[in-house]
Amino acid sequence: NAGVTQTPKFRVLKTGQSMTLLCAQDMNHEYMYWYRQDPGMGLRLIHYSVGEGTTAKGEVPDGYNVSRLKKQNFLLGLESAAPSQTSVYFCASSYASIGAGFSSTDTQYFGPGTRLTVL
Amino acid sequence: SQQGEEDPQALSIQEGENATMNCSYKTSINNLQWYRQNSGRGLVHLILIRSNEREKHSGRLRVTLDTSKKSSSLLITASRAADTASYFCATVGRGDDKIIFGKGTRLHILP
Repeated sequence: NAGVTQTPKFRVLKTGQSMTLLCAQDMNHEYMYWYRQDPGMGLRLIHYSVGEGTTAKGEVPDGYNVSRLKKQNFLLGLESAAPSQTSVYFCASSYASIGAGFSSTDTQYFGPGTRLTVL
Repeated sequence: SQQGEEDPQALSIQEGENATMNCSYKTSINNLQWYRQNSGRGLVHLILIRSNEREKHSGRLRVTLDTSKKSSSLLITASRAADTASYFCATVGRGDDKIIFGKGTRLHILP
């Protein structure tokens, strides 16, 4: 049971290049999330998914796209990278809606992060 | 915009002492959660407290919630070097499917 994994761990891009970050979970979780974390900041939600085939915008969605074609995978895409997207990206998943308020089901499990630098 | 705001931003204490971190938020919540992040790692869930609860314990952790003041506190008793990390509070609004994180408190335990 690997939990939540992220690929790649590190990446350097030039402005204008594109890339896709992959998040995979093996816990059969319905909900998946993409966050970014900048120095001195907490995590900010980019996009999330409440189930296979669904996506929704979070707090800072501009410049990113996502897809959830398979329940276990959640992809984050940058079509034209900008220096402002230099950040550490974290993926998370949860079994059920975190609005339910039950620790056993709506705890978020985080991946190890992807450090992205855009030059 | 971020919901939770932790206080203090940074805290250094001697090993064995208790550490208290506070979190204030702005709107009504369904639940509030505390997470820990070790340097260079992902976040790890510590404890969840629901809006109708006032206090919860988990090992050396004690969390309180005061919905009238829209605030929460995390107490770590008998701190250890391994407790050195950043601690984040995160809130889930009523009817929400997403969680909003604060900027965190950096805790450093001195040997």
